[in-house]
Amino acid sequence: NAGVTQTPKFRVLKTGQSMTLLCAQDMNHEYMYWYRQDPGMGLRLIHYSVGEGTTAKGEVPDGYNVSRLKKQNFLLGLESAAPSQTSVYFCASSYSLGRGGSRFETQYFGPGTRLLVL
Amino acid sequence: QKEVEQDPGPLSVPEGAIVSLNCTYSNSAFQYFMWYRQYSRKGPELLMYTYSSGNKEDGRFTAQVDKSSKYISLFIRDSQPSDSATYLCAMSRGSGSARQLTFGSGTQLTVLP
Repeated sequence: NAGVTQTPKFRVLKTGQSMTLLCAQDMNHEYMYWYRQDPGMGLRLIHYSVGEGTTAKGEVPDGYNVSRLKKQNFLLGLESAAPSQTSVYFCASSYSLGRGGSRFETQYFGPGTRLLVL
Repeated sequence: QKEVEQDPGPLSVPEGAIVSLNCTYSNSAFQYFMWYRQYSRKGPELLMYTYSSGNKEDGRFTAQVDKSSKYISLFIRDSQPSDSATYLCAMSRGSGSARQLTFGSGTQLTVLP
């Protein structure tokens, strides 16, 4: 059980280049998320998906696009990279747990992708 | 103003010390409160979560939520060098089909042997 994996681990881009970050999970989770982590800012949600074929915007979606064609994969695309997108990107997935009136989804995170945009 | 404020530290303590980590928040709609631990160059992992107010204990870790003060805490007893990590608080409204988490900026903790 690999959990959540991310590809690539590290990438350097020039301004204006495009790239796709791949997230894969083998836990059959419905929900998947993309975050970015910047110093002093914590983790901020970029986009998320509640199931195959559905995506929604998070807190900081501008400059990113996503796709969820298969349940186990969630792709994050940068069409025209900018230096402000230099960050560490984390993917996460979740399922429901909890009983009674409380429902809580534990989010499992991948190891991250470090992106440097020059 | 950020919805969730967390003292970034860094915090350095001797082995065996009691550690207190704290977050304040401004949105009274938050219902779920979490603590994640993140080792250097790794993804965050869930340490504990609580629903609404109260305390929750798990081994050396205790999470407290005071919704009236909009204040949450994580206590680590008998701290160990292996506890050295960044601790992130996170919160969610708990409504809707996906749990959108709002994170604090994280507190970097070092436990010295």
